[in-house]
Amino acid sequence: DAKTTQPPSMDCAEGRAANLPCNHSTISGNEYVYWYRQIHSQGPQYIIHGLKNNETNEMASLIITEDRKSSTLILPHATLRDTAVYYCIVRARGGNSGYALNFGKGTSLLVTP
Amino acid sequence: GAVVSQHPSWVICKSGTSVKIECRSLDFQATTMFWYRQFPKQSLMLMATSNEGSKATYEQGVEKDKFLINHASLTLSTLTVTSAHPEDSSFYICSASAGRNYGYTFGSGTRLTVV
Repeated sequence: DAKTTQPPSMDCAEGRAANLPCNHSTISGNEYVYWYRQIHSQGPQYIIHGLKNNETNEMASLIITEDRKSSTLILPHATLRDTAVYYCIVRARGGNSGYALNFGKGTSLLVTP
Repeated sequence: GAVVSQHPSWVICKSGTSVKIECRSLDFQATTMFWYRQFPKQSLMLMATSNEGSKATYEQGVEKDKFLINHASLTLSTLTVTSAHPEDSSFYICSASAGRNYGYTFGSGTRLTVV
């Protein structure tokens, strides 16, 4: 799996957009970018995933650069409940290799009042 | 959406005893389940991968005789921590997937404290 690099921590004011970057310069053509988050003492929660097109759902938007070497998760209007550790993971779908999600250290996002 | 139920949410046990943690997929068939362990202020570490009806595949450094995994049905996997010791105290999390072309759903985790 391609390795990802995320800033260890970020702050965001409540109501503002939170933009969380992720570098994955060694991503392969068949690897998707997944974003999960983990609120303290809970299991990870799926946010969004994409291959090469930008994606949007009710939780967030995912912007993937044209060369796919980096992406940004956007929480359009951050709330205090968005305080969590956000993980960017690249993973291929299908194939014959093991397909568990491997978590890095993620970005600890603190949303402040 | 896909839901995974994990029980218990927390457990305290005496050193030397065994503890079983259950992970159920409620609305889909989980052909594969994953077990993770998370120590304080650290990320999730994959312990093992189990496919329904097959023996689990353990990650390097994880003792298969200590962490027994059973995945006998498409909706249930169990992790048994045998002869638990204080150093086994951790947050255990399961994840389930319907297959390689599907996503991953996580349980809410089990906080194990061995005293």
